[in-house]
Formats: sequence, structure tokens, C-alpha cells
Amino acid sequence: GIQVEQSPPDLILQEGANSTLRCNFSDSVNNLQWFHQNPWGQLINLFYIPSGTKQNGRLSATTVATERYSLLYISSSQTTDSGVYFCAVQGTSYGKLTFGQGTILTVHP
Amino acid sequence: DAGVIQSPRHEVTEMGQEVTLRCKPISGHDYLFWYRQTMMRGLELLIYFNNNVPIDDSGMPEDRFSAKMPNASFSTLKIQPSEPRDSAVYFCASRGTGSGNTIYFGEGSWLTVV
Repeated sequence: GIQVEQSPPDLILQEGANSTLRCNFSDSVNNLQWFHQNPWGQLINLFYIPSGTKQNGRLSATTVATERYSLLYISSSQTTDSGVYFCAVQGTSYGKLTFGQGTILTVHP
Repeated sequence: DAGVIQSPRHEVTEMGQEVTLRCKPISGHDYLFWYRQTMMRGLELLIYFNNNVPIDDSGMPEDRFSAKMPNASFSTLKIQPSEPRDSAVYFCASRGTGSGNTIYFGEGSWLTVV
């Protein structure tokens, strides 16, 4: 099956700092999503981005499908950004989304 | 829309007991997924349905696990008999074909088997 690798595994920031999270995948994809899991366990969809660039407030994401990676940018981080960020991809097996191991982000005030 | 609704939110049960987790997907969504999250294995897909039909159950760990979707608005995941290693958070998620492939998760069912 498709492999998904996220980096870094852990990231600690001061409030106001910027960060970049990376997701590498091993095969062509027709679906890529970024999720945030908050400290209460809720999984929130951030972006559906199989290719191109999208922005939503302080967050933006870019996927370069031909080079098999995606980046999630967080600017002016806030303590509420803390949690785990997951990248999930769908390869040739239609409907099946495979998750990476996540990046644990901690933002200190 | 109410989102994906799961019940129970928390369950503590004794080893050997039957556990039934329930899910109501978002109305109109034709895909339903069951995921399990543990510290060791992360988020794993157990099974998914399309139009109430199981499509891929290769992630179901063993025969003790079974899932059904009797209609478009309801699904169950059953563990019988339960074991301590089944302790995890079980997520249900749904997606509509026309919704840009965005998948929406429920809040999860936190299962502890003692």
C-alpha cells in the first residue's frame, strides 16, 4: 500500500512563530487531506488538497503531486494550534485514506 | 448539519464482554469509514462501506470484529469477545461523492477493556 511519512515528528514553538510541516508519499494520489487533532481528540479537516495551494486564515497548504509531497504552513502560531497534525492520502485504492503518523505541535505562550 | 454522530463516547468493559459501537453518518454521504487510533499503531482503517456495502475490510484485525451498515444512516462496529488490546479510540467518518472528497470524523468512542 501507499506509504505516508510526516516530518518533523515533534515541534515546539513559541506563540507567534511560523512553522512548516511536511508530508511525503510513495505513490500517485488522487486525494490528500490535512487534519488537526486537538487535545480533546477531535479530528478536524483543514484542507482537501491533492494538488496546488490553498489558504485559510493563518494556515496554508501546498501539494506538489509530481514530486509526491505536501506542506502545511502555520503562521503566527497560537496556543490553540497545539495538537497533532495528520496528513492522509488516497492512492489507487479508491475510497481508502491512509494516514501518516502525525506531527505533534506544542505552542507555548 | 449535525455532523457524524458516534455513541457511546466512552465505554469501560470487562474482558470477554461484547462491545457495540454506533455511528450515524452525515445525511447524504455515501461512504462510511471505521478507524481505530492507538499510540502504537496510529490511525488505522478497519473497514469502509460505499452505499451500505462493505468494500474493504482488510483492516479488521480478526474474527472478533464485525461491522454492519443496515441502512444509509446507521452503522455498527461490534467486538465479541473484547480483549484488553482492543482498548483504543474508534472513529467513524463519512464522505459524500460530491463533497470534494472531504472526509468528516465523529468525535470518537473511547473504549477501555479491563
